[in-house]
Order: sequence, then structure tokens, then C-alpha cells
Amino acid sequence: DQQVKQNSPSLSVQEGRISILNCDYTNSMFDYFLWYKKYPAEGPTFLISISSIKDKNEDGRFTVFLNKSAKHLSLHIVPSQPGDSAVYFCAASGPNAGNMLTFGGGTRLMVKP
Amino acid sequence: ETGVTQTPRHLVMGMTNKKSLKCEQHLGHNAMYWYKQSAKKPLELMFVYSLEERVENNSVPSRFSPECPNSSHLFLHLHTLQPEDSALYLCASSQAPTGRGGGNTGELFFGEGSRLTVL
Repeated sequence: DQQVKQNSPSLSVQEGRISILNCDYTNSMFDYFLWYKKYPAEGPTFLISISSIKDKNEDGRFTVFLNKSAKHLSLHIVPSQPGDSAVYFCAASGPNAGNMLTFGGGTRLMVKP
Repeated sequence: ETGVTQTPRHLVMGMTNKKSLKCEQHLGHNAMYWYKQSAKKPLELMFVYSLEERVENNSVPSRFSPECPNSSHLFLHLHTLQPEDSALYLCASSQAPTGRGGGNTGELFFGEGSRLTVL
């Protein structure tokens, strides 16, 4: 059973608008969450993370929100740019799990010029 | 040399072949990982080596055999694979976790992957 789920396989957004990618998890022991971005023919690259002691983390155009009670996190990209078009993976880890991440299935974001 | 390098990028093999995937990291990390990405499935953790010791073997069939001769190199030896093993195999590296609150960011650095097709 998947412990990290990204229910939207794809998302299309106009350039300049906000992109919101969602992720749900079931394991209440998860305490660290990350977003990775993957271009075709490349490996995933780290984007942004958040610890469970926070509910928001911001880095430039990227903001991650964590709602622990709902076991839900989201990644906001604003303004969206065509270069943001990629597959975005949500990942999570628990205490003492170190860097052994559990990944979601990914959401393909397409930003249209 | 950039970050994490995987070879070969593409591999086609028959079910009776023996082949190996290679991963090399130039980031000074001391933990390395194999992940598998099958079509329309999440990345699945296969093996973890931390400080050259295997710390995780995620119920992976014995036809996959990892080897970590040093902290910079990781291999995945393949033999008698099945067509359903066709997937993208991703190697990653990181600093070995020092426990929660010990500066572990959870960030993995991935290679570009080896696309495996088993006929």
C-alpha cells in the first residue's frame, strides 16, 4: 500500500499563474518531507523540504505547506515558468529512517507560455 | 566530473544474461542507494549502503545483487532477470545520516539512471 500518494498524475498551468501540486501521506510517523523535480532523461533533483515542526517553508518561487492533521502537503510555484515543466515527486521519511525516502508517484507539470 | 554518474544509460538483456549497473559519486558522500522506477509506479528503494555497509535490503529478489566496494562506487549485479524487471534504475548518494537533528537534510543526489529492458 502506498504511504505517499500524489493523486494528480498531471497538471497544466499558464505561465505566470500559480502551480499547486498536492501530496498525501498515511504514515503518521513521517516527520520530514521533500519535493524533487525530474526532467526527462535526468535524475530527480532536490527542490525544497520541510520538517514536521513547521507548517511552511519558502524558497524563492517555491513554497511548501504542511498540514499534519490532514496528512497533506502541497508545493506552490508562483509565478510558474515554462522551465518548471517537469515531473514533481513528493517524498517523506520518518525518525531514524535517515535518508531512506518513500516517494509518491509523481505529478507531471506543464507550464504553457 | 559531475555529481553522480551511472553507466550504462541504456541496457537491453535477455533473461539468461548476467550484467551489471555501475554508479560512481564524486560528492564526497558516504551513503549510496539503488532505487527502481517502474512505469506508472513510485520510486522504490531497493538497497542502501551507509559507510560501505548494507543497511537496507527492501525485500528485493536475489536476482539483484548489490556491491559497494568503497564509498564512491556502487554496483547492481543482474542475473536471470524477468521482463517485469524492466525499469529505470536510479542510483543516489548522500551523507550518511547522523540521526534526527544531526544535520541530516534528507537530500539525495541522484544519477541520471540506467534504463533496463529485459527481453
